Amino acid sequence: DGGITQSPKYLFRKEGQNVTLSCEQNLNHDAMYWYRQDPGQGLRLIYYSQIVNDFQKGDIAEGYSVSREKKESFPLTVTSAQKNPTAFYLCASRLSGWGNEQFFGPGTRLTVL
Amino acid sequence: EDQVTQSPEALRLQEGESSSLNCSYTVSGLRGLFWYRQDPGKGPEFLFTLYSAGEEKEKERLKATLTKKESFLHITAPKPEDSATYLCAVRHRTQGGSEKLVFGKGTKLTVNP
Repeated sequence: DGGITQSPKYLFRKEGQNVTLSCEQNLNHDAMYWYRQDPGQGLRLIYYSQIVNDFQKGDIAEGYSVSREKKESFPLTVTSAQKNPTAFYLCASRLSGWGNEQFFGPGTRLTVL
Repeated sequence: EDQVTQSPEALRLQEGESSSLNCSYTVSGLRGLFWYRQDPGKGPEFLFTLYSAGEEKEKERLKATLTKKESFLHITAPKPEDSATYLCAVRHRTQGGSEKLVFGKGTKLTVNP
């Protein structure tokens, strides 16, 4: 089955630790995205990548880092510099082109202890 | 500032009681308006894409329509399984020439049996 997978589903982190969230897609999509979702707020874009080995900052990139070494994979690292990392993180992908919709993974809930 | 506003924030319906959700937007250079359904703790599920004023799309009990400044998601004779948060997102071309996807905060729909 084609789709987007995210792991882990739940992640707990101590303050001061870096953690990496995994996102893999087998849809052959060019573009991949990371969003953060907080209660009462719309999805906010963290980083996005339109091609391999290239990525751009979104609206709230501070404290996060990404890589895009393979078309299928777009991992997100939440660093200790992120002041309020507890949130629901969503990965998405889409075919490049006019109007094409984004498809989302199941999400990772990160909690900082 | 570009904005996507969804109303109401929450809506309670009785099973079979039809209603509509609203998504208004102030962006220019529309490149598509997207509706998603999101269940608690899960990633958004794509429902519809609308591109131009006057366009309509239907899926089971849902019908999405688009005007120049807003979209409606009509729910006809809803069932309890239609309970979810419905997200609206607008893709538009920015002044810098890039494309941006902006999400509303969602409408939480509860359908009581």
